[in-house]
Formats: sequence, structure tokens, C-alpha cells
Amino acid sequence: KNEVEQSPQNLTAQEGEFITINCSYSVGISALHWLQQHPGGGIVSLFMLSSGKKKHGRLIATINIQEKHSSLHITASHPRDSAVYICAVRSWGGDEKLTFGTGTRLTIIP
Amino acid sequence: DSGVTQTPKHLITATGQRVTLRCSPRSGDLSVYWYQQSLDQGLQFLIQYYNGEERAKGNILERFSAQQFPDLHSELNLSSLELGDSALYFCASSVALGYPGYTFGSGTRLTVV
Repeated sequence: KNEVEQSPQNLTAQEGEFITINCSYSVGISALHWLQQHPGGGIVSLFMLSSGKKKHGRLIATINIQEKHSSLHITASHPRDSAVYICAVRSWGGDEKLTFGTGTRLTIIP
Repeated sequence: DSGVTQTPKHLITATGQRVTLRCSPRSGDLSVYWYQQSLDQGLQFLIQYYNGEERAKGNILERFSAQQFPDLHSELNLSSLELGDSALYFCASSVALGYPGYTFGSGTRLTVV
């Protein structure tokens, strides 16, 4: 079992729909990251969370430390939101590396 | 522009060859991480340097090596290249040990033919 599991793997929605991407992890973490990767390949860090909730524009990220679960929400989705969204965690202690989920490929249809 | 600069953006080379990927971290960041993204393995941690010293190693092959120079830029050297080494190689930087924030570069796409 991977340390970081994301669902769904693929998601297609109509423009304007509310989108939710889920991430579950099995280790104690110091931080969880949501990353966005566009078809060109570059990775952009959207959020870094250690507790609670963060909002940036139409994007909202939440984390429940007790349940080891995080969600990324996109309100009023737009075709330009089409990308791969990756959840990554940094474990407590030891290495400072990130461990990544396999990503969710989101396609927003106009 | 994230502030992390990776060069080259694209690289095509033959099997058996050696290449060097370069990363300049964001100004003020002391820690550099290298990650490999392949189609079958996803994103995987390779190695971390902090202020010139190797800090942590992940799934890095013996044919691969890295270093961080006094000006904090880092190089990832890949030798005896195989077809399976074709991947996107990302560098990320962080300001200090213990700080969980990262800034990613735009990656180097390596194609081994």
C-alpha cells in the first residue's frame, strides 16, 4: 500500500462544477502539499497545510490530521484548471523528502 | 518564474552517455532536492543537499550522483544512461532544514534514445 493515496485517478467535469480531490496518507506528517502540474510539465505548489483549511481564489484545501486525510476543492471550475493535481506529504522526523501520491488528472470541459 | 532555475529544459541523448542537469535554487534557499518523474514510477525523491552537504538519499541509482557547490547551485550527474532513465527531473529548493515549504523548478525532460 502506498503511503499516499489519491482519488479519483481521473476526473472529467463540466465547466462550473464543484470539484473535490481526496488524499489519504498513512504516516505521521509535518506538512501536506497540494501541487499542480500542467501538460507542459512544470510543478506549481498550490498549498502547504499542517492543519485546518486554506483558501486561494477558487481553490480550497483542508486537512484532518486525526483522520490522515486532505481534500482539494475547486469552485466554479474552468477549463484552465485542467491539470494533474498531486498530493505530497513530508513525514515527521528523518528525511525531509516529499512522498507523492500518483496524482489526479482533472479535465474540465467547456 | 518560481525562482528555481533548471537547465537545460530538454535533453536528448543516446544510451551509454553521461549528462549533467543543473539547478539554481531560489535566492536564499540553502536546501536542494532532486526528484525524478517517470511514467511508470511517478514522482520519486532522489537526493537532498543542504548548504553543500548531502542530507538524505532516496531511490537514487549508483549511476547517478549529485553535488551542491559553494554558490548553492546543484548538479545531478547521470551516467551510463539507459532507456529507462528517460524522465522529467525536478529540482526543488527550501530555505532551511525543518522548513516544510518547497519551490519547484520547471524540470528537465531527459529522453534517452
